[in-house]
Amino acid sequence: DVKVTQSSRYLVKRTGEKVFLECVQDMDHENMFWYRQDPGLGLRLIYFSYDVKMKEKGDIPEGYSVSREKKERFSLILESASTNQTSMYLCASRAPSSRYNEQFFGPGTRLTVL
Amino acid sequence: AQSVAQPEDQVNVAEGNPLTVKCTYSVSGNPYLFWYVQYPNRGLQFLLKYITGDNLVKGSYGFEAEFNKSQTSFHLKKPSALVSDSALYFCAVRPGSGAGSYQLTFGKGTKLSVIP
Repeated sequence: DVKVTQSSRYLVKRTGEKVFLECVQDMDHENMFWYRQDPGLGLRLIYFSYDVKMKEKGDIPEGYSVSREKKERFSLILESASTNQTSMYLCASRAPSSRYNEQFFGPGTRLTVL
Repeated sequence: AQSVAQPEDQVNVAEGNPLTVKCTYSVSGNPYLFWYVQYPNRGLQFLLKYITGDNLVKGSYGFEAEFNKSQTSFHLKKPSALVSDSALYFCAVRPGSGAGSYQLTFGKGTKLSVIP
């Protein structure tokens, strides 16, 4: 089974702090994704990565950056956390070797910024 | 740009009754369509997908979905609902090729409540 893990289930930070959210997948997937989930808005794509050291902006990249130094790890960085970044963050991975493959999701990190 | 609409924020159904969760989409070219389920405080779990072929696709936990190209719909169905089916359901779409084919676009989700 594909396993996608996220470093924390719950995280509380203060406004202005630098925040790192880590995601690791164990199936050698090339593609990885970061979403945020908010009630009534569904999932919105923040950034994604085709492969190591490659990244693309999604629909809402403002206030975020990402890092993909190793294939299995995709980090989301909040350079200076703000209260409007309080949300559930979901990481996903996918193998494009089959074009039809679905994305596999981690359990999520619920971030609260005070 | 692609989009997904889930017109119902919440669906209530009695246990044992059939259930339908609605989804319509907009995408350029052939659509790849997906349903995911999310249980409380959990990530999303894949249920089923339509890529090509039969319009009726079967997935996990007894769920199925019907692709209707003329109505651009992909409604999720189950013949007999269980209380354990209560969860948040997301429909998602991406184009089969070309620009945006890496990117899944999700609907806002439908909360399904199955009443004992």
